[in-house]
Amino acid sequence: AQSVAQPEDQVNVAEGNPLTVKCTYSVSGNPYLFWYVQYPNRGLQFLLKYITGDNLVKGSYGFEAEFNKSQTSFHLKKPSALVSDSALYFCAVSQYNAGNMLTFGGGTRLMVKP
Amino acid sequence: DGGITQSPKYLFRKEGQNVTLSCEQNLNHDAMYWYRQDPGQGLRLIYYSQIVNDFQKGDIAEGYSVSREKKESFPLTVTSAQKNPTAFYLCASSQDGRNTDTQYFGPGTRLTVL
Repeated sequence: AQSVAQPEDQVNVAEGNPLTVKCTYSVSGNPYLFWYVQYPNRGLQFLLKYITGDNLVKGSYGFEAEFNKSQTSFHLKKPSALVSDSALYFCAVSQYNAGNMLTFGGGTRLMVKP
Repeated sequence: DGGITQSPKYLFRKEGQNVTLSCEQNLNHDAMYWYRQDPGQGLRLIYYSQIVNDFQKGDIAEGYSVSREKKESFPLTVTSAQKNPTAFYLCASSQDGRNTDTQYFGPGTRLTVL
């Protein structure tokens, strides 16, 4: 079975500071990893994904994520946070031979303060 | 939210009633999905469909039913057998259901049981 953990319910950062939202996963084969963002009462917006290749993946709105196979992690990062980045962030995983069945983490609320 | 529409945005149901949530996409995607989101939890898969006239149960299918008569449409019925239906329901679609595909989400329907 595949699973995702987002160990922090909330992350607080000051505007202009770097941010990191953590994600670890567990799969039996090669993982395919995704990050989504959700604003209040809205659907999820796709940010980026890792399928294969370069461990550093760049996505929308200046976000990037680093795949670390040895630590089974896929942390989301941004060099300089904006107040408008405040939202709920979800990490998700699928794996080979599991169809496109995404398993989501519980979400991390990012609060960026001016 | 792209080319995926969900209606209605808010839905109120009395206990014992069946209700149907609409999901339509104009992205020409083969695969469609229904998720349920509860506060403090990630998304959980209810049903998914990779082609017309075919669908599979997800992790929490009990008390729900779906149909896929057209490529563009994947309605979800919440039956009276669903014991705790109050939640935020999200529909998604992807190109062809491969596990490397990105799923794109609609804006969601918030269902409240009175």
